[in-house]
Amino acid sequence: QSVLTQPPSASGTPGQRVTMSCSGSRSNIETNNVYWYQHVPGTAPKLLIYRSNQRPSGVPDRFSGSKSGTSASLAISELRSEDEGEYYCTSWDDDLSDPVFGGGTKLTVL
Amino acid sequence: QVQLVQSGPEVKKSGASVKVSCKASGYTFGSYGINWMRQAPGQGLEWVGCFNPYTGETKYAQKVHGRVTMTTDTSTNTAYMELRSLRSDDTAVYYCALELYIREAWFEPWGQGTLVTVSA
Repeated sequence: QSVLTQPPSASGTPGQRVTMSCSGSRSNIETNNVYWYQHVPGTAPKLLIYRSNQRPSGVPDRFSGSKSGTSASLAISELRSEDEGEYYCTSWDDDLSDPVFGGGTKLTVL
Repeated sequence: QVQLVQSGPEVKKSGASVKVSCKASGYTFGSYGINWMRQAPGQGLEWVGCFNPYTGETKYAQKVHGRVTMTTDTSTNTAYMELRSLRSDDTAVYYCALELYIREAWFEPWGQGTLVTVSA
């Protein structure tokens, strides 16, 4: 099982807003930055959010990240069919001295 | 631009070894650590380990510790991950990625992935 906990699935219709959660602990999310990656099977994972709420250039502002305490969340507004894929949260864990991943949330656009 | 290109798919027997390469371009090799992740069928991404070309230090996940070695060849700007004593649960797509900051989980970019299939 993964150190960070994510719901296995999420869904929405085009144009909707979807949020997905990532739950951790004091040793990771509460004291370190959270990163979100989008992974479409067969392609390389892509960085969506860095330092909990920053977007790399080229990532649409439809994607936003936030963090509070031991949890983080990723929101996608104006959902599009091309947003389908798997979304992973990661963070550094001070106790393990390793990066830790969530199990991923599979997003389906209905 | 910064790019990581990995070697092709591999099929190995249980107990054998595999060596996956990750050729880097577009930046000064050695400026960033190189991490390896994998995704087994139906599973999520899993961190496998990292190599810091600047210090030569390595760190491996407990699950593969003792069976994995990560190295680099600075003459060809290539990183390698060798996994020995392969088991069926090592079947996965393996990715290399640059670690942009130490003690963060900031990986960008990633290689295209290398499928390693372990057969009985």
